[in-house]
Amino acid sequence: GAVVSQHPSWVICKSGTSVKIECRSLDFQATTMFWYRQFPKQSLMLMATSNEGSKATYEQGVEKDKFLINHASLTLSTLTVTSAHPEDSSFYICSATRGDPNTEAFFGQGTRLTVV
Amino acid sequence: AQSVAQPEDQVNVAEGNPLTVKCTYSVSGNPYLFWYVQYPNRGLQFLLKYITGDNLVKGSYGFEAEFNKSQTSFHLKKPSALVSDSALYFCAVRDGRGTDKLIFGTGTRLQVFP
Repeated sequence: GAVVSQHPSWVICKSGTSVKIECRSLDFQATTMFWYRQFPKQSLMLMATSNEGSKATYEQGVEKDKFLINHASLTLSTLTVTSAHPEDSSFYICSATRGDPNTEAFFGQGTRLTVV
Repeated sequence: AQSVAQPEDQVNVAEGNPLTVKCTYSVSGNPYLFWYVQYPNRGLQFLLKYITGDNLVKGSYGFEAEFNKSQTSFHLKKPSALVSDSALYFCAVRDGRGTDKLIFGTGTRLQVFP
């Protein structure tokens, strides 16, 4: 299957700082990328849908000024958590699709963010 | 609205026994159904999907799932469980009306005991 690489795997940052997480599709062009947040022992919560060259579409309740998403190319999307607070600590996962509804989404390995 | 339900938080099974992880769905339009597995602190790995065709779908690692339209179910099965199958399993549905968005179930933790 196709490979989606997410970096970093884990990060610890101080409150008030910003953290950038990268999501790359290594061997295919991703027309759409998704960002999820996962709390311990819970399911994935979709945060936003990102299409190359256009603004991300955020799910209800997700602060777009806090979670900045950029999808500059067909192989790279970034999520920046701005002015991070301890409550932003979570597991963030990206996924990418080719734009064909008959094919599955491919997921990155996730990023464990801890804000201290 | 599209939704997916996984009624069991946890399933326990002895190694070598068959396992079933349940999933039911509710969508308007044709359902595109998926199963993913997640190991601790990792992303999701694709297991199998149903788009169209045979109701019995075979996937990775010996898993299979049966699409049942009348019961709106897509249960994941494996004839003989392995300890290494212990993980978190997610059922997901994609709205067949053109969006790539996946709706996930709440997940079922599978524990296989030696």
